[in-house]
Amino acid sequence: GAGVSQSPRYKVAKRGQDVALRCDPISGHVSLFWYQQALGQGPEFLTYFQNEAQLDKSGLPSDRFFAERPEGSVSTLKIQRTQQEDSAVYLCASSLGVSGLVNTEAFFGQGTRLTVV
Amino acid sequence: AQSVAQPEDQVNVAEGNPLTVKCTYSVSGNPYLFWYVQYPNRGLQFLLKYITGDNLVKGSYGFEAEFNKSQTSFHLKKPSALVSDSALYFCAVSIWPGGDDKIIFGKGTRLHILP
Repeated sequence: GAGVSQSPRYKVAKRGQDVALRCDPISGHVSLFWYQQALGQGPEFLTYFQNEAQLDKSGLPSDRFFAERPEGSVSTLKIQRTQQEDSAVYLCASSLGVSGLVNTEAFFGQGTRLTVV
Repeated sequence: AQSVAQPEDQVNVAEGNPLTVKCTYSVSGNPYLFWYVQYPNRGLQFLLKYITGDNLVKGSYGFEAEFNKSQTSFHLKKPSALVSDSALYFCAVSIWPGGDDKIIFGKGTRLHILP
């Protein structure tokens, strides 16, 4: 498709379970972002890739969170031993992402709503 | 470090009246500034952006925003509000040049347009 695709759309996990969230960015987009959006809040930055390189992971809340983008396209956000506070919508976005160009807006997927019970 | 502030959690405007949603930013370089809108149960949608040039930028659905470098602001405006404009609005910033394309969002402002 033409947009950013995320799967699954909804995920219910039991506390302590591991989960993997997938993001298919727009073809050719260099930059890929993961954000966490708690209910009623703005998106909080988690991590950022340029191609396969993870340039910034300063927003990952703990070492239970891990993201990868091995071939510079599809990305997976993995959360180990999920906790209730991990419940949120996880947003993926992609952009052309080369500094100095005008096409730097990010295109967002619809997100994965994770509920930890 | 770059940051974005949206000082109002909620803005209420009567239909047909002009609206303003405020945003201020703090960056160490030249800012790219954005507004995104989030409707219920839908993803973030791009509204408009400021890169360089004219301080007044026009975007989707009749929205516009004014870049004010001296006040480090990028307020979103619309001359005549519609009920369908009710949504959650996010201001965002990234910087150029320098290779840092991280986009930082404000906490959002909920806009209520009253019929």
